[in-house]
Amino acid sequence: DIQMTQSPSSLSASVGDRVTITCRASQTISSYLNWYQHTPGKAPKLLIFAASRLQGGVPSRFSGSGFGTDFTLTISSLQPEDFATYYCQQSSSASWTFGQGTKVEIK
Amino acid sequence: QVQLVQSGAEVKKPGSSVKVSCKVSGGTFTNYAFSWVRQAPGQGLEWLGAIIPKLGTANYAQKFQDRVTIIADESTRTVYMDLSSLRSEDTGVYYCSRGSYGTGMDYWGQGTLVTVSS
Repeated sequence: DIQMTQSPSSLSASVGDRVTITCRASQTISSYLNWYQHTPGKAPKLLIFAASRLQGGVPSRFSGSGFGTDFTLTISSLQPEDFATYYCQQSSSASWTFGQGTKVEIK
Repeated sequence: QVQLVQSGAEVKKPGSSVKVSCKVSGGTFTNYAFSWVRQAPGQGLEWLGAIIPKLGTANYAQKFQDRVTIIADESTRTVYMDLSSLRSEDTGVYYCSRGSYGTGMDYWGQGTLVTVSS
């Protein structure tokens, strides 16, 4: 299975901060990379698909970039409702995998 | 409007099996990949496997290959996940989702808590 490695594992930030999370694949996955937001007690929410395409209804402060093995999720101005855990996920191979998650906490 | 509704919470003994269902309403059923994803307490999201009803065969994560079976019933638009040889580490919330290789998992069920305890 393709391994996905996120960094950092957690971060503390303030409302209004710019936040960047990175995700690296163990082998090339083209643009088959998706980002999710997960808050306790809720189902995960798709934010970005195909590395850089914003899912409908997701605020434009979220953006994604990358190709091949290295990818980035950026939140341009962190809002109170953005404090959550974020996961990357590859869908390049028949067996999909998630990164280990990045927890975004309030500073 | 697409909805995925999962079966209710389960409590199982170690060594037994659990079967969780996911009924899909709205949208096309046969062309999407329906996945099962779990979250154990304090852990991250973990993909177990998926099935595309049109193709009929499922793909599984290497870690669960020997213990998980995913099937789809087109007549009832329901996807099932069967996990066998349960151990305490299998305790967690299990989600079904709808997705595809190019568009991510865009719809999710509400989650089913599976507790494995003697």
